[in-house]
Amino acid sequence: DAGVIQSPRHEVTEMGQEVTLRCKPISGHNSLFWYRQTMMRGLELLIYFNNNVPIDDSGMPEDRFSAKMPNASFSTLKIQPSEPRDSAVYFCASSLPGSGTGLLQYNSPLHFGNGTRLTVT
Amino acid sequence: DQQVKQNSPSLSVQEGRISILNCDYTNSMFDYFLWYKKYPAEGPTFLISISSIKDKNEDGRFTVFLNKSAKHLSLHIVPSQPGDSAVYFCAASGDGQNFVFGPGTRLSVLP
Repeated sequence: DAGVIQSPRHEVTEMGQEVTLRCKPISGHNSLFWYRQTMMRGLELLIYFNNNVPIDDSGMPEDRFSAKMPNASFSTLKIQPSEPRDSAVYFCASSLPGSGTGLLQYNSPLHFGNGTRLTVT
Repeated sequence: DQQVKQNSPSLSVQEGRISILNCDYTNSMFDYFLWYKKYPAEGPTFLISISSIKDKNEDGRFTVFLNKSAKHLSLHIVPSQPGDSAVYFCAASGDGQNFVFGPGTRLSVLP
């Protein structure tokens, strides 16, 4: 199993440029998450998808951020235009669906990629 | 307001001894908890989980304890090894999908 694959590993860009981060989830996982890690705010959830449908994007900071999941094996996070305060490590994670309730409830942990370190100058 | 707190930014432990990492949460709707380990330049790696129907879960050297009344959980690593040196994150969820992460505790295991 290749795990969650993110690209690029590092991205350096100038303020105002468009940035696209990519993610390939683990095959068979139907939930995909985008997180951002900064020193000030730690790991914060930006958006997540179930079966390619965005479920909760309340963590997306501004309209400059957008995410898509055109199919089960690919997702993008786009920042346009980028700003220096967007500099952070962006993680993608995927998980299997949970199931059952009560004593039979099964919850699936998140499996993270190695992240994309974004620097906006 | 932080819903998941890890009040110790760092912890140092001698090799072979027990490491205890603590986590507190404020949202009583949280019912599923995870611990992750993170090395530099890598993504967080899942370690162990616990649901609110249990108060203990064990996996090898790792044990997680949950005290629902105190809204507190802890991760015990015994015996600690130098390879356990990493940042440990606690995460909590009320729906099994929307996870809130704590700020992390940096564990150093000294040889």
